[in-house]
Amino acid sequence: KNQVEQSPQSLIILEGKNCTLQCNYTVSPFSNLRWYKQDTGRGPVSLTIMTFSENTKSNGRYTATLDADTKQSSLHITASQLSDSASYICVVSEKTGANNLFFGTGTRLTVIP
Amino acid sequence: EAQVTQNPRYLITVTGKKLTVTCSQNMNHEYMSWYRQDPGLGLRQIYYSMNVEVTDKGDVPEGYKVSRKEKRNFPLILESPSPNQTSLYFCASSPGQGLPGSGNTIYFGEGSWLTVV
Repeated sequence: KNQVEQSPQSLIILEGKNCTLQCNYTVSPFSNLRWYKQDTGRGPVSLTIMTFSENTKSNGRYTATLDADTKQSSLHITASQLSDSASYICVVSEKTGANNLFFGTGTRLTVIP
Repeated sequence: EAQVTQNPRYLITVTGKKLTVTCSQNMNHEYMSWYRQDPGLGLRQIYYSMNVEVTDKGDVPEGYKVSRKEKRNFPLILESPSPNQTSLYFCASSPGQGLPGSGNTIYFGEGSWLTVV
């Protein structure tokens, strides 16, 4: 069964600290993996997209890694800011089929001053 | 500015009263989709459309209808809303053929909070 699991479910960190969010998936055959940031009550916004051949991709203070062999991805946030408080959603695409996206339930990050 | 626009953003309605949530994108995307988001669950797809006049069911289509008469618009119709359709709804679009597996960025609207009482 194709699944995407994220951990932790929630996380509280101090402003300025780094953190790492995890995403494990069983989706196969794998096409690509996306990380989205979703502010409370807002639509998800794309942070990164990684294909099978990419193992690292950065977007400012956000760095995503992908290990396609172990089917794991992480999102590392450096020097966190209050505005990083949001849910971070991992989304994995299946290579076959027209429309197979699998969403994780997200990690809720709270950055406190 | 490239965007996906949903309306209304907030709605409280009564059981059985038909409603439509509109979705419009200004990016000339072929692919459009509707999702619902409930606490503790990931986004679940309701319906999607690969192009004009081409629509298909997602994971949770029961109780919903869609239409795609124009490329830019993809309304979500609740013919007879029920309380279990209380949720946060998102419309999304993607360029090209829009296949999510292609790696195209998926753009989401701001969401529509729907409460059915």
